Amino acid sequence: ETGVTQTPRHLVMGMTNKKSLKCEQHLGHNAMYWYKQSAKKPLELMFVYSLEERVENNSVPSRFSPECPNSSHLFLHLHTLQPEDSALYLCASYRTSGENKRSGANVLTFGAGSRLTVL
Amino acid sequence: QKEVEQNSGPLSVPEGAIASLNCTYSDRGSQSFFWYRQYSGKSPELIMSIYSNGDKEDGRFTAQLNKASQYVSLLIRDSQPSDSATYLCAVTPFGGGYNKLIFGAGTRLAVHP
Repeated sequence: ETGVTQTPRHLVMGMTNKKSLKCEQHLGHNAMYWYKQSAKKPLELMFVYSLEERVENNSVPSRFSPECPNSSHLFLHLHTLQPEDSALYLCASYRTSGENKRSGANVLTFGAGSRLTVL
Repeated sequence: QKEVEQNSGPLSVPEGAIASLNCTYSDRGSQSFFWYRQYSGKSPELIMSIYSNGDKEDGRFTAQLNKASQYVSLLIRDSQPSDSATYLCAVTPFGGGYNKLIFGAGTRLAVHP
């Protein structure tokens, strides 16, 4: 258990459905992320929330809609998805440590992921 | 397009051997470098970070960074079957903060008894 919890772990949905993925972190981190992981492709950053500010990858389709009500919870709302959206969706949270503050680096902690299948 | 490149593998090594995983990156100004391990069906977990040229050792793992050649590598000594996983290289490019981490597609390592 990493301290970042994602639900559901598996989701099968039709193209006309509306569903949501949920992420909760218990680490006191100050930023949360959604990543998409497709087979044999690099992790793709979709959205970042820091102190409730949203940063997004402009290539992400509008059928994905994030929501971050507070620093511990993050949602990804899904509607009218396409089969090519089938992937592992990973939530991550971020903190700084002493060394990382000097270098400005990232230390990401990932959740276990939500495996999405769009039929 | 800033990229991080890795050989997809699989890299097959016998138990007890040294596994060498390599990663190249395109942004010469990249600042921070990470190796994540991802077991099949699991989430990535950070195993090494390195910020300056040279070697950094942690147990059986050694990260090597060469900024002039724009590569970072991970050596695993005395490889064990439990090391079999996909290893992801990640880089923070120049001027990039927490929202700019770029991942490679990963190298799959198979350690056979």
